[in-house]
Amino acid sequence: GAVVSQHPSWVICKSGTSVKIECRSLDFQATTMFWYRQFPKQSLMLMATSNEGSKATYEQGVEKDKFLINHASLTLSTLTVTSAHPEDSSFYICSARDGFSSYNEQFFGPGTRLTVL
Amino acid sequence: GENVEQHPSTLSVQEGDSAVIKCTYSDSASNYFPWYKQELGKGPQLIIDIRSNVGEKKDQRIAVTLNKTAKHFSLHITETQPEDSAVYFCAAREAGKSTFGDGTTLTVKP
Repeated sequence: GAVVSQHPSWVICKSGTSVKIECRSLDFQATTMFWYRQFPKQSLMLMATSNEGSKATYEQGVEKDKFLINHASLTLSTLTVTSAHPEDSSFYICSARDGFSSYNEQFFGPGTRLTVL
Repeated sequence: GENVEQHPSTLSVQEGDSAVIKCTYSDSASNYFPWYKQELGKGPQLIIDIRSNVGEKKDQRIAVTLNKTAKHFSLHITETQPEDSAVYFCAAREAGKSTFGDGTTLTVKP
């Protein structure tokens, strides 16, 4: 299947700083990218959906000014957690879908573990 | 919106036995039902999926069945192996948006 990478795989930062997470589709064009958040032993919570070249659509309850999403190219999307606080500590997972493909399945990245001290 | 319920939340089987995980969904417009396997500290990996125009799909030891009338779909794993131990998530997708179940922790005892 297609490959989606995330960088970094883990990050530790101080409270109040901003952290950027990159998500790349390595062998297909990601017309749509999704950002999820996952707490321990819980399911995936969709944060936002972004289509290449458009503004992201955020789920209810997700602060768009705090979680900045950029999807400027067909292979790269970034999630920036601004002014991070300990409650933002979580596992962030991106997912990408190739809208040009008739099959249209969704591939997940390996996730980024964020710890805010 | 869509609501997906997944059962059981934990499942323990002996190596070689079969495992079945069930999901129900609420939105009849959902038309794509993937299953993901997630190992500790990793992202979910698609293992099998089914579309609403198909009732059953099989890939080696893994199969998925879909009952559109009852709005439920199931994952079947036969001849389970210790490496099948992981968390499994079902999902239902409609209009480009996927809703996930809460996950099932499968433990296969050697």
